[in-house]
Parts: sequence; structure tokens; C-alpha cells
Amino acid sequence: AQKVTQAQTEISVVEKEDVTLDCVYETRDTTYYLFWYKQPPSGELVFLIRRNSFDEQNEISGRYSWNFQKSTSSFNFTITASQVVDSAVYFCALSDPTSGTYKYIFGTGTRLKVLA
Amino acid sequence: NAGVTQTPKFRILKIGQSMTLQCTQDMNHNYMYWYRQDPGMGLKLIYYSVGAGITDKGEVPNGYNVSRSTTEDFPLRLELAAPSQTSVYFCASSQTFPPRETQYFGPGTRLLVL
Repeated sequence: AQKVTQAQTEISVVEKEDVTLDCVYETRDTTYYLFWYKQPPSGELVFLIRRNSFDEQNEISGRYSWNFQKSTSSFNFTITASQVVDSAVYFCALSDPTSGTYKYIFGTGTRLKVLA
Repeated sequence: NAGVTQTPKFRILKIGQSMTLQCTQDMNHNYMYWYRQDPGMGLKLIYYSVGAGITDKGEVPNGYNVSRSTTEDFPLRLELAAPSQTSVYFCASSQTFPPRETQYFGPGTRLLVL
């Protein structure tokens, strides 16, 4: 069965520190997609990144970077030089395009608190 | 750009009452979804639709109904509200079959059933 584990329930850092949010997934399929979403205190879900299982290149977008490692079934998210505006709940999600279903499997989220 | 909009933002219901959560998207997306997010948990799919007139159940459909008469609108109906339906409800849409196409989410509706 598919599963996404975000073992870190809550992380607190001081502004300008780097922080890594962990995501470990389980799937038997060779073709799948992984996502990260941000949920700020206002409550909406903001799409951050999508990565397919055949692309293991790390991605960098400004202060955000993602490390995808199939060998360890992990898709970790790093924020460099964190800012107070990064405070949010971050969700990792998995989807399998061959399963015939349309759902994402979401992790339980990691609450990030960035302190000024 | 409105994207996906949801109304109301917050609602309190008494047990046994009914209500409709509204969802509208202006991106001409074919696929639409309803999720619920319970406290401290990820999202679970309630219902989805692949186009006007076509809907299907997700993981947790019991207690809910949906309809899709237009491309833009995908309302979620609660017929007999129960405390277990206290949650935050998110509507989402995507242009094509996910996950090749990213799902975009509305701002959510917070529902409290007392």
C-alpha cells in the first residue's frame, strides 16, 4: 500500500537558520509523483513542487531545495536562511498515475515555526 | 486570477442539519476534487469528478453527496451533519488526469458540527 511519512510533527528554528523537512514514502510502483504543499496560517494549500519518479535531479528554487533519493524512498525539503514568512505546515504527498485512482496520499504534515 | 473559490469560509451546524459547500473554479479544469482535513492529519479524498455529469467516490464518501452540472461548479452536500464531519474541507481542480497535472486547492471551508 502507498504511504507517506512525515515523522517531524513540529520544528522550531530561529530566523536565518537552515531547516530540512523529511518525507519518506512507500509504493510498489515504479512510476509515481511526489509533491510538496505549503499551508500557511491562513489555511490555503499552496503548491510548491512536483517530481516524477524518473527524475532524481535535485531541484532548487530560491531558498527552497528538494532532495529526491529513490534508494532511500525520501523526498526531503530544505529551506535555506529561513524567514518568519516560512512558518506554515508543510505537506508531502504521493500519487501513482497507474493505480486508476485520482487521489494523493498525504503525509500528516510538519509544522514549521520560524522565530524572529 | 480567482482560481478555486469556496464558500462559506466557516460554518457551525447542529447535528442532523444539512448544508452545501460551494466550490467554483475559473480555470476551465476538467477534474475537481473534495478533500477533508482533520486536525493534525493530511487530506483525504471524499469525491472527485472527471467532467460535467461524472462523479465518483474517494476514500471517505459516507455522509456526503456531490453533483457536477457544469465544468465550473462542484458542490458538496452534507445531508445529516454528524460531529465526525467536523473538519476543514478543501476543493481542488486540475486540467487533466493527475498527477501529471498538479492539483490546485481552494482556501478551504471550516465546518464545526455541534
